[in-house]
Amino acid sequence: GQQVMQIPQYQHVQEGEDFTTYCNSSTTLSNIQWYKQRPGGHPVFLIQLVKSGEVKKQKRLTFQFGEAKKNSSLHITATQTTDVGTYFCAAPVGWGKLQFGAGTQVVVTP
Amino acid sequence: DSGVTQTPKHLITATGQRVTLRCSPRSGDLSVYWYQQSLDQGLQFLIQYYNGEERAKGNILERFSAQQFPDLHSELNLSSLELGDSALYFCASSVGRDNYGYTFGSGTRLTVV
Repeated sequence: GQQVMQIPQYQHVQEGEDFTTYCNSSTTLSNIQWYKQRPGGHPVFLIQLVKSGEVKKQKRLTFQFGEAKKNSSLHITATQTTDVGTYFCAAPVGWGKLQFGAGTQVVVTP
Repeated sequence: DSGVTQTPKHLITATGQRVTLRCSPRSGDLSVYWYQQSLDQGLQFLIQYYNGEERAKGNILERFSAQQFPDLHSELNLSSLELGDSALYFCASSVGRDNYGYTFGSGTRLTVV
């Protein structure tokens, strides 16, 4: 079945630095979604990418969908302490169901 | 407040017991999804309901069952609880069948002792 793999599992970042987390699928995706879960919180929807090669920005966050629609990335510039949390990618697997990647846990050092 | 309400927030119960988790979806959302989150398993899909009908099933144990009522709220029933069932249980909702942009509730933390 479809697998959604995320790397890295953990990311330690110095405040002000940039980092990227990646999501890879074994199959072509109709869309990819990204969620953020703060420590002790619940996942919050960030964005959905649908088109091949699509790039979307939300302030310091840049989301990209690969040309083959099998991978996606989230790039954060000038990391802040508010960026702490776990970032999940999620892909549809059949009618109404999302499969979530294992997440990238981000720790920011001041 | 995300608009998805889950109760209770915390639940501590003994092995072998049965519990019911409740979820009220965001106003206007017809789909309800249940996910289990444990430290070593990430977010695991359990089951989905759309407008009262079961639409998709994941790796849900036979000891677990769910339903969605006419007012669209949903309940997840967990029975014969085992220590390994301790986890965060999230409910999420979305408008329709196309799984765009789930809205998650704050979750129920279940501890089985």
